[in-house]
Amino acid sequence: ETGVTQTPRHLVMGMTNKKSLKCEQHLGHNAMYWYKQSAKKPLELMFVYNFKEQTENNSVPSRFSPECPNSSHLFLHLHTLQPEDSALYLCASSQDGDTLLPYNEQFFGPGTRLTVL
Amino acid sequence: AQKITQTQPGMFVQEKEAVTLDCTYDTSDQSYGLFWYKQPSSGEMIFLIYQGSYDEQNATEGRYSLNFQKARKSANLVISASQLGDSAMYFCAQGGATNKLIFGTGTLLAVQP
Repeated sequence: ETGVTQTPRHLVMGMTNKKSLKCEQHLGHNAMYWYKQSAKKPLELMFVYNFKEQTENNSVPSRFSPECPNSSHLFLHLHTLQPEDSALYLCASSQDGDTLLPYNEQFFGPGTRLTVL
Repeated sequence: AQKITQTQPGMFVQEKEAVTLDCTYDTSDQSYGLFWYKQPSSGEMIFLIYQGSYDEQNATEGRYSLNFQKARKSANLVISASQLGDSAMYFCAQGGATNKLIFGTGTLLAVQP
């Protein structure tokens, strides 16, 4: 596989469920990101990991819990979510997470479409 | 606070014609970069083009070019010779001292045959 993959592609869960989203990058990158994309709103950065260390938590509620066991894998653990958490969750990776370099663009996965009932 | 504004929620263009998608930004960073991404209905965000704030020439990548006007804080995307496959959402984004990107609300482009 190449690029950034995300599983599952679609997820429906109740408010009392616990589920996890998985992201894997095959690009040899050192930084990984979680974004939330809600309808008619800009993409919102949630978390940033650089060399497996969390460097950004954009005031995300604790019902979202990220985990980065290594530079290639990123998880988003979900529990007791609310209906307003329904959105497309996108994972991305880039070569470096500290500095903005020319062509240090972020490569995105296809996203997980989450619906909370 | 940093902000990206895309004033066109939707655009139509005839196949083979050129189209300009607007983007303005607001930042106090001295050094920054501007990105354009394409998001087809499949959901994946596809990187298109990058412009650094100190680049003197406008960026070009194939049929994509970026009309960068630093004094006006605008970074419009120009797509030449539109194709049906160009129909998608287009997002402008800005990154500053770190690689934390701020995205606009996007423009939905529809290419008509």
